[in-house]
Amino acid sequence: DTGVSQNPRHKITKRGQNVTFRCDPISEHNRLYWYRQTLGQGPEFLTYFQNEAQLEKSRLLSDRFSAERPKGSFSTLEIQRTEQGDSAMYLCASSEASGGQETQYFGPGTRLLVL
Amino acid sequence: KQEVTQIPAALSVPEGENLVLNCSFTDSAIYNLQWFRQDPGKGLTSLLLIQSSQREQTSGRLNASLDKSSGRSTLYIAASQPGDSATYLCAVRNDYKLSFGAGTTVTVRA
Repeated sequence: DTGVSQNPRHKITKRGQNVTFRCDPISEHNRLYWYRQTLGQGPEFLTYFQNEAQLEKSRLLSDRFSAERPKGSFSTLEIQRTEQGDSAMYLCASSEASGGQETQYFGPGTRLLVL
Repeated sequence: KQEVTQIPAALSVPEGENLVLNCSFTDSAIYNLQWFRQDPGKGLTSLLLIQSSQREQTSGRLNASLDKSSGRSTLYIAASQPGDSATYLCAVRNDYKLSFGAGTTVTVRA
């Protein structure tokens, strides 16, 4: 088990372009989360999957954002028509549902810069 | 809406000194609280998790306490080392999602 992986690690794009990020969770984990972190702040929750079902989306996730988790394995986060305000670190985490002991394990993140 | 605050925002200490990092939260109906470490430009590494029914957890030089009724947690790092330099984030879990503080950036001077 190599932990949570994310690709790409860095992405530079021009305003208006579409970008897609991938997250591969720890294999036995049924829960997957996306967070966004801007400089000097803690991560903020974006969305959550239980298996393949997307159960909640934050108000931060505008209609330009879409996330999927086909077959309950890896997940993708797509941002359409990127804006400079989308520049941030996008973090993925996974966990196994286990009540109060549930620990979320984070990937290394994808750093997005929109020019 | 859960609000998490970490004080101080930054801390610089000489090597060997003990570190005390504070975290407060507004909604005490939590499942657990996690402390994370984040190195510059990197992801988060989980350090300790305290369940809502627990008062403290220890791992090596790290000890975290939780007072759920007053909405506070403290992370103690004993005998700090330069390798402890990083940002430490506190996160509380309500339902399934984590709410994070902005972190305390620690510098340990050799």
